[in-house]
Amino acid sequence: KQEVTQIPAALSVPEGENLVLNCSFTDSAIYNLQWFRQDPGKGLTSLLLIQSSQREQTSGRLNASLDKSSGRSTLYIAASQPGDSATYLCAVRGDWDSNYQLIWGAGTKLIIKP
Amino acid sequence: DVKVTQSSRYLVKRTGEKVFLECVQDMDHENMFWYRQDPGLGLRLIYFSYDVKMKEKGDIPEGYSVSREKKERFSLILESASTNQTSMYLCATKQGSREQYFGPGTRLTVT
Repeated sequence: KQEVTQIPAALSVPEGENLVLNCSFTDSAIYNLQWFRQDPGKGLTSLLLIQSSQREQTSGRLNASLDKSSGRSTLYIAASQPGDSATYLCAVRGDWDSNYQLIWGAGTKLIIKP
Repeated sequence: DVKVTQSSRYLVKRTGEKVFLECVQDMDHENMFWYRQDPGLGLRLIYFSYDVKMKEKGDIPEGYSVSREKKERFSLILESASTNQTSMYLCATKQGSREQYFGPGTRLTVT
């Protein structure tokens, strides 16, 4: 059974730092992996989607990498800003799943201190 | 841009009431999902639908039902609300292998 883990559960860093959020999964047979952002009390916003054939995806200051063989993905945030404060979740879709269900990590709560 | 709307942002209901949560999307997506999100438990899938009038149980369907009479609308029904159904409810849509898009969420309190 696929399990998705995000460590740490919470992270606090000063503004301006570059940082890395981690997502690991136990079964490397994934179809794709998606990173989301959630602001307090709100829905989720999709940040980046990496297909299993891709190694990374970039959007602005965000870069997500995927290493299927080691069961890891990282979300790199460059030059962090207070507005980046949110909970970041990753989710994987398995190769075996034709119904497009996602398996979710519990998230990393990120606080950027001004 | 994909737009996913949910009928209410906040809802307070009494135990035993029948509750309807509605989700509407404007992008003609085939797949729609209902999740609940609780502290420490993350997102859990309640039901999903991959076509009109089609539905599949997710991980925690007990106490819920769904309806999809039109492609753009997916309703979650709590037949008899209970206090343990107090939660944040999130609707999402998806087309094929592309991203899931989420609505703003409904925070339901059952007293």
